[in-house]
Amino acid sequence: NAGVTQTPKFQVLKTGQSMTLQCAQDMNHEYMSWYRQDPGMGLRLIHYSVGAGITDQGEVPNGYNVSRSTTEDFPLRLLSAAPSQTSVYFCATFPRPGGEQFFGPGTRLTVL
Amino acid sequence: RKEVEQDPGPFNVPEGATVAFNCTYSNSASQSFFWYRQDCRKEPKLLMSVYSSGNEDGRFTAQLNRASQYISLLIRDSKLSDSATYLCVVNEAGGSYIPTFGRGTSLIVHP
Repeated sequence: NAGVTQTPKFQVLKTGQSMTLQCAQDMNHEYMSWYRQDPGMGLRLIHYSVGAGITDQGEVPNGYNVSRSTTEDFPLRLLSAAPSQTSVYFCATFPRPGGEQFFGPGTRLTVL
Repeated sequence: RKEVEQDPGPFNVPEGATVAFNCTYSNSASQSFFWYRQDCRKEPKLLMSVYSSGNEDGRFTAQLNRASQYISLLIRDSKLSDSATYLCVVNEAGGSYIPTFGRGTSLIVHP
């Protein structure tokens, strides 16, 4: 089993460009989440999903959209990239609220 | 914002040393607690859950002190491979979907 996979591993964007970060899991978990990690800031929750068709905002949702059409996939969309969105993005799944989180390998995004 | 505080370190210790980290949390209703390990430029991975009765896994011991609202991680007989950042994670009672991560404590084990 692959667990949680993320693509791409690295991405450079120009300000104003859009892109989608992909996240897929084969763990059959209902719950998925997106985090960003910045130096000195720790992990901050962007959006999360409690099942196919159901998403909600986390701590820092502005500038990001998500959708969850299947249990396996949870893409994160940047509609108009800004330099402040330069960060490392992690997708995670968890089997139940309050449970252990399983992280993907991350996407390193630079916005120029 | 609910706070989870960790000493960022770095803790610089020789091989074989015992080292302990604390993590304090502000929400007294917090219910589940974890320690994660994160290697440089990698994703966080679960090290251990923290139970009310404390738990031990080999050289690692985690404890919870609800009265003083902190969790601890003790590493005995440190190895070079223990060098990493250790993140504590706190979840609210009632099955929160939004865990709170500490910013991490950096450990460097040297020969």
